[in-house]
Amino acid sequence: SYVLTQPPSVSVAPGKTARITCGGNNIGSKSVHWYQQKPGQAPVLVIYYDSDRPSGIPERFSGSNSGNTATLTISRVEAGDEADYYCQVWDSSSDVVFGGGTKLTVL
Amino acid sequence: EVQLVESGGGLIQPGGSLRLSCAASGFTVSSNYMSWVRQAPGKGLEWVSVIYSGGSTYYADSVKGRFTISRDNSKNTLYLQMNSLRAEDTAVYYCARGAYYYDPRQYYFDYWGQGTLVTVSS
Repeated sequence: SYVLTQPPSVSVAPGKTARITCGGNNIGSKSVHWYQQKPGQAPVLVIYYDSDRPSGIPERFSGSNSGNTATLTISRVEAGDEADYYCQVWDSSSDVVFGGGTKLTVL
Repeated sequence: EVQLVESGGGLIQPGGSLRLSCAASGFTVSSNYMSWVRQAPGKGLEWVSVIYSGGSTYYADSVKGRFTISRDNSKNTLYLQMNSLRAEDTAVYYCARGAYYYDPRQYYFDYWGQGTLVTVSS
C-alpha cells in the first residue's frame, strides 16, 4: 500500500513562512490535495491538484509537487492558520490515502 | 448551497451493528463520488469507503467485509452499514463529496459533513 509521510509538527512565527512536506514514492506523478482541520471541526480543502486553490482560500496558501515530496506553503502566517494539515492522494493499490497529519503551531 | 449532514452514530457494543446516514442537499448524490472518512480520537484521517457515480464501491482493508456503503437516490442520502464492530472502529465518521477535473481517479474532497461519533465499547 502507498504511504504518505508528514512531519508531526511544524512551528512558525507570525508573519513568517510555513512549509509542510508530504513524502511519498514518486509522489510527483500523482495529484496531491491538502486539507486544513481546526479542533472540533471538519477538514477543509485548501489546495487541490498540487497547487490549485478553492475559492475563498487566501492566496497565502500555495502548493508544489515534484519527485518524492509535495509541499504546502503558507506565507505570512497568521494565528488563525494554526491547525492540523493533511495531504491526500489516490493510489491504485489503496484508493484514497491520507498522510498522518502535521500540527502547525503559530508561536 | 451544498450541505452534508451525518446521523446514526452512538455507543454500540463490540460485535454490534450500526447504520450511518448522510443526507445531502444542494447537489445529487448519485451523480458524484461519495466517501466515508473516519478519525479516531486524537488521530489522523482514515479513508473508509467510496461509491462512485457509476455505482462501483471500494473499501479500506480495515473494514472490507464488515462495512457496506450504499445510497438512496430518492432520498439523496448516503449510508454506511457497519457490522461486526470493533473497539478500533471508534471514531468520528465524516461523509465527503469527491470531486475531480481531468482524471476521475485523482479525486479530492470538496465538501465534508460535520461528522457523527461512533463509540464501540462494552
